[in-house]
Amino acid sequence: DAGITQSPRYKITETGRQVTLMCHQTWSHSYMFWYRQDLGHGLRLIYYSAAADITDKGEVPDGYVVSRSKTENFPLTLESATRSQTSVYFCASSPGQGQPQHFGDGTRLSIL
Amino acid sequence: GQQVMQIPQYQHVQEGEDFTTYCNSSTTLSNIQWYKQRPGGHPVFLIQLVKSGEVKKQKRLTFQFGEAKKNSSLHITATQTTDVGTYFCAVLQTGANNLFFGTGTRLTVIP
Repeated sequence: DAGITQSPRYKITETGRQVTLMCHQTWSHSYMFWYRQDLGHGLRLIYYSAAADITDKGEVPDGYVVSRSKTENFPLTLESATRSQTSVYFCASSPGQGQPQHFGDGTRLSIL
Repeated sequence: GQQVMQIPQYQHVQEGEDFTTYCNSSTTLSNIQWYKQRPGGHPVFLIQLVKSGEVKKQKRLTFQFGEAKKNSSLHITATQTTDVGTYFCAVLQTGANNLFFGTGTRLTVIP
């Protein structure tokens, strides 16, 4: 979907480094989400945001930090990356609670 | 806690055969959504079911919501190679704030 973009698409980094994944949407959707996708686990919610300056934990929040100072942006930061955080990360947005979600193309993150 | 089981985990079919994936919840659902993810791609929303016993069709795809609103199925008639991908259900359990995604069914279509 052209309305939600993630960057970078691919990232390789080392354990202990800080890395930030960016997500930008142009629909003015209230809700934004971060998921990680690992084989055998499907999509697991890391953090979500119902509006600017409102964020909340999902299923697997440990080791991650988010912020949402503007409605259109929802960056995800790994403050000190670990190998277990190697995964594909998807950002998504939706107009309201429980409404269909629109996903970005994903960021494939490898931590060595 | 949230428990959503999606079966089967994998399915290989010959092109032209039918395919069905099932999503089962231990608790009553407010709604259920289905998504498709092509290999290397991102999940794409297909449909949302809200009403008990609801049936919706999209060309060769038929989606059904159980009478008790605890389960759902996606049926594809006469599969084509373009149907390849992973199909996820995503459920909104009554009283929950967010969707919970099933682990998906990966469909392979053999030409």
